[in-house]
Amino acid sequence: EAAVTQSPRNKVAVTGGKVTLSCNQTNNHNNMYWYRQDTGHGLRLIHYSYGAGSTEKGDIPDGYKASRPSQENFSLILELATPSQTSVYFCASGQKNTLYFGAGTRLSVL
Amino acid sequence: QQQVRQSPQSLTVWEGETTILNCSYEDSTFDYFPWYRQFPGKSPALLIAISLVSNKKEDGRFTIFFNKREKKLSLHITDSQPGDSATYFCAASTASSGQKLVFGQGTILKVYL
Repeated sequence: EAAVTQSPRNKVAVTGGKVTLSCNQTNNHNNMYWYRQDTGHGLRLIHYSYGAGSTEKGDIPDGYKASRPSQENFSLILELATPSQTSVYFCASGQKNTLYFGAGTRLSVL
Repeated sequence: QQQVRQSPQSLTVWEGETTILNCSYEDSTFDYFPWYRQFPGKSPALLIAISLVSNKKEDGRFTIFFNKREKKLSLHITDSQPGDSATYFCAASTASSGQKLVFGQGTILKVYL
């Protein structure tokens, strides 16, 4: 069973603050993804990675950075958080056309 | 710009009925179309998928019908059960993009006894 672990599960941040969302996978998948989920928009891709050291921009990268220091870890960084970034964030790893999602991080920016 | 569109936004059916969820896309380079299901408070998980080479894919009570000419898909759930209540996402990708999926906005399904 694929295992993708996100931390924290819930986060409250202040506007202008820095937020780091972490993701760890134990499946040795090369590809990892960060999506955000908002009502009416479904899941939108923020950043993704093909392996350690690589990051690529997704469909909505503005205001976000990503870091893939190892095969297992993929972080999403909000340098200057804004209320519009309040959302549920999902990390996923992928193999053979299937994405395996973590449990999600609920972020509120006040 | 929504490349993958789903309808309806929400749907309520009675137990035992057939549920039909619709999906359409614009990009003619898309060639792989998975459906993900998300139960309340949980993360999405792959339910069933179809590729461009097929017109139909069946897995138990779940069937995808694919009209390539019109760029439309539908997910049929026969004998709908209360346990099927969830949000269903249609997604699409191209072979060149690997697993980089574009998701629709989802359809919220509620099945009542």
